[in-house]
Amino acid sequence: DSGVTQTPKHLITATGQRVTLRCSPRSGDLSVYWYQQSLDQGLQFLIQYYNGEERAKGNILERFSAQQFPDLHSELNLSSLELGDSALYFCASSVGIQGARNEKLFFGSGTQLSVL
Amino acid sequence: AQRVTQPEKLLSVFKGAPVELKCNYSYSGSPELFWYVQYSRQRLQLLLRHISRESIKGFTADLNKGETSFHLKKPFAQEEDSAMYYCALGDNAGNMLTFGGGTRLMVKP
Repeated sequence: DSGVTQTPKHLITATGQRVTLRCSPRSGDLSVYWYQQSLDQGLQFLIQYYNGEERAKGNILERFSAQQFPDLHSELNLSSLELGDSALYFCASSVGIQGARNEKLFFGSGTQLSVL
Repeated sequence: AQRVTQPEKLLSVFKGAPVELKCNYSYSGSPELFWYVQYSRQRLQLLLRHISRESIKGFTADLNKGETSFHLKKPFAQEEDSAMYYCALGDNAGNMLTFGGGTRLMVKP
């Protein structure tokens, strides 16, 4: 167990809907990262937060947004969902601000999103 | 732009055979490279990183800047090595990991 908790484990919804994915980082970790894993795109970095502030942005669509709360948990909001948004969404955390380059990332078990 | 390529989606070997999972990268800066592994029904986890020059579970990886490669090797594969392996490249800012498409390693008895 990495200590990173993601809920829900599975989510089934319809096109056009909005969902929220939740991530609780390991105790003491200040950075949270979101990744999307799909069959055709592999693992894609979406966004990173450090201590409540956005730190880096990757291939995140405008329909998607995220935030990190004072208790350090993070939420990824996906809106106007399309079939192509179906994927496994991973959250990861690390201790500090250095980010993935110099630190070990601890991954959650992911949320499987199915858009029908 | 940074890019990581893992040319093999699937690699199947017999137990005891040598294994090499290929990874090539494209990056203009000084690369930081990692191998992550995902065993069946487990989370993605760090296997090794090039700056540590370590051997984990018998696996090693050497950064070859001339060939822009970071291949993962193990001299004698074990059945428990069967998993999905991802090569990843860290950016200069230290914020973003770019992952390759992954290689599924199957070690047959």
